[in-house]
Amino acid sequence: QSLLTQPPSASGTPGQRVTISCSGSSSNIGSNAVNWYQQLPGTAPKLLIYRNNERPSGVPDRFSGSKSGTSASLAISGLQSEDEADYYCAAWDDSLNGYVFGTGTKVIVL
Amino acid sequence: QVQLVQSGAEVKRPGASVKVSCKASGYTFTGYYLHWVRQAPGQGLEWVGWIFPNSGDTLYAQKFQGRVSMTRDTSITTAYMELRRLRSDDTALYYCARDGQTGGAFDIWGQGTMVTVSS
Repeated sequence: QSLLTQPPSASGTPGQRVTISCSGSSSNIGSNAVNWYQQLPGTAPKLLIYRNNERPSGVPDRFSGSKSGTSASLAISGLQSEDEADYYCAAWDDSLNGYVFGTGTKVIVL
Repeated sequence: QVQLVQSGAEVKRPGASVKVSCKASGYTFTGYYLHWVRQAPGQGLEWVGWIFPNSGDTLYAQKFQGRVSMTRDTSITTAYMELRRLRSDDTALYYCARDGQTGGAFDIWGQGTMVTVSS
């Protein structure tokens, strides 16, 4: 089972703000950077946030990331229909000596 | 442009092996770690391991140690992942992904290779 726990789903209406949590431990989020990926239906994942709160070029500033202790969160403000996707947090785990992904959260735009 | 192009879908019998390729272009192949990630149908993402093409060094997830091998051919900027002793629960979409030197974040992904294990 995954070491990073996310809620199975989150939803909102267009224009609303949605937040997704990612809970880990001292060996992963607590000591390493958190990255977030967006996976649209039928496509490969796409890097959304790296190093906790940095956005790659081309990612809208509606997406933001934060980290505190052993938890992280992704916020989507001004929700749009095209944001409907699965979102995964990820981090290196020092105890496992491996990369771990979160359980994934499906964002539904109502 | 920077891209990773993977080999086509595979169907294998239980107990067989599969080798998936990942062709890199548009960047210095030997300068970036390459990871493999898999996704079973309807499931989440699972990290398999990485290879550093410059040296050939590898690191595999504990779960796959002894069954997986990652290699590369720098002359054709291609990385490979071989998984042996396949089981039905190895049925998944296998992705290669580049570590963009941004704290372990995978900035470029291949299109995925579907591996189906069925008798």
